[in-house]
Amino acid sequence: AQSVTQLDSHVSVSEGTPVLLRCNYSSSYSPSLFWYVQHPNKGLQLLLKYTSAATLVKGINGFEAEFKKSETSFHLTKPSAHMSDAAEYFCVVSDRHGGSQGNLIFGKGTKLSVKP
Amino acid sequence: NAGVTQTPKFRVLKTGQSMTLLCAQDMNHEYMYWYRQDPGMGLRLIHYSVGEGTTAKGEVPDGYNVSRLKKQNFLLGLESAAPSQTSVYFCASSLLRTVLDSFGNTIYFGEGSWLTVV
Repeated sequence: AQSVTQLDSHVSVSEGTPVLLRCNYSSSYSPSLFWYVQHPNKGLQLLLKYTSAATLVKGINGFEAEFKKSETSFHLTKPSAHMSDAAEYFCVVSDRHGGSQGNLIFGKGTKLSVKP
Repeated sequence: NAGVTQTPKFRVLKTGQSMTLLCAQDMNHEYMYWYRQDPGMGLRLIHYSVGEGTTAKGEVPDGYNVSRLKKQNFLLGLESAAPSQTSVYFCASSLLRTVLDSFGNTIYFGEGSWLTVV
């Protein structure tokens, strides 16, 4: 069975400092992994995805994530936070061999706050 | 290109009332999904459809029904609304389950429907 754990429900950083949002996954097969961002009262936007190509994945808005199979992790990072990065972030796993419950399993989300 | 459109965006219901949320996509996608989002719970799959005329249960299907009479539309129905169904509902669509489309997204989300049951 697949699952995804976001280790922090809330992360607070100062503008200009690095961002680290942690995600661990469990999957029986080779997973696809995603990070989505949701700004207040908005839908979800795909930040980046890993689908068994390069383990270091670059996304939009300066975010990147590294797939580490040995650690079953897919942490999201950004070198320098911007005020506009304040949002909720979801780590998502998809079993590419399919499953009975649809395509994506969502983590519970990490709310990122950015202080001036 | 509208993508995935949900209507209505906001609705307040009384306990026991019924309503239908409409999801429409103009990308000719085979797969469509309904999720609900609750604080601290992430998104949970309610029902999904792998093509016109088909539906299947997701993680939290109780209290909801769905229909996919046309490929572009996926309806979510609440027959007798309960306060526990107060949530934000997201519709999504994808071309196929595991094949990435040419725009680099496997799945497109609507902007959400805020439902309050009092």
